[in-house]
Amino acid sequence: QKEVEQNSGPLSVPEGAIASLNCTYSDRGSQSFFWYRQYSGKSPELIMSIYSNGDKEDGRFTAQLNKASQYVSLLIRDSQPSDSATYLCAVDNYGQNFVFGPGTRLSVLP
Amino acid sequence: DTGVSQDPRHKITKRGQNVTFRCDPISEHNRLYWYRQTLGQGPEFLTYFQNEAQLEKSRLLSDRFSAERPKGSFSTLEIQRTEQGDSAMYLCASTQQGNTEAFFGQGTRLTVV
Repeated sequence: QKEVEQNSGPLSVPEGAIASLNCTYSDRGSQSFFWYRQYSGKSPELIMSIYSNGDKEDGRFTAQLNKASQYVSLLIRDSQPSDSATYLCAVDNYGQNFVFGPGTRLSVLP
Repeated sequence: DTGVSQDPRHKITKRGQNVTFRCDPISEHNRLYWYRQTLGQGPEFLTYFQNEAQLEKSRLLSDRFSAERPKGSFSTLEIQRTEQGDSAMYLCASTQQGNTEAFFGQGTRLTVV
């Protein structure tokens, strides 16, 4: 059974700081990795996907992947109160479905 | 296209009743997924379709649950004889085969009283 682990938080950062969210996964064969943002009471919203080792940047977001360490991270630069949400890490299960972690709650303090 | 659409958004039902939810995926997406999410947890996979074929079902999908996608477009998820433990957000997502990015609908929040 594939597992995806995240620190549930809450992770609190001051406005303008860098928020760092981490995720580990159990299946070394996993190839595709995703970060979703979920506001309270809403559905998950895809914000980043990453497939290769290294960094991928999109605006204030940077996803980092290290397959050897089975580790994915999401950095949010210049954090804003509107970034306060739960961030879900998801791993593609050989094209059949997606396995989600429990999510990390981020709180950006004004 | 306005994305994945789910109906209803909220459903309150009495224990023992049957409920049915609908999902309309993004029009060009041939894969459709159902997930369930309870408070404080990540989404849990229930089942997925490629076109009209149901290709995988989770062990979470007990015999009270059934899903269909008869024409390869919209899908329905039915829960028979609902139990309080069925209370959750039911999420539908879709993706195009060969593209692994999945997009979720707004979800249906089920409350069993």
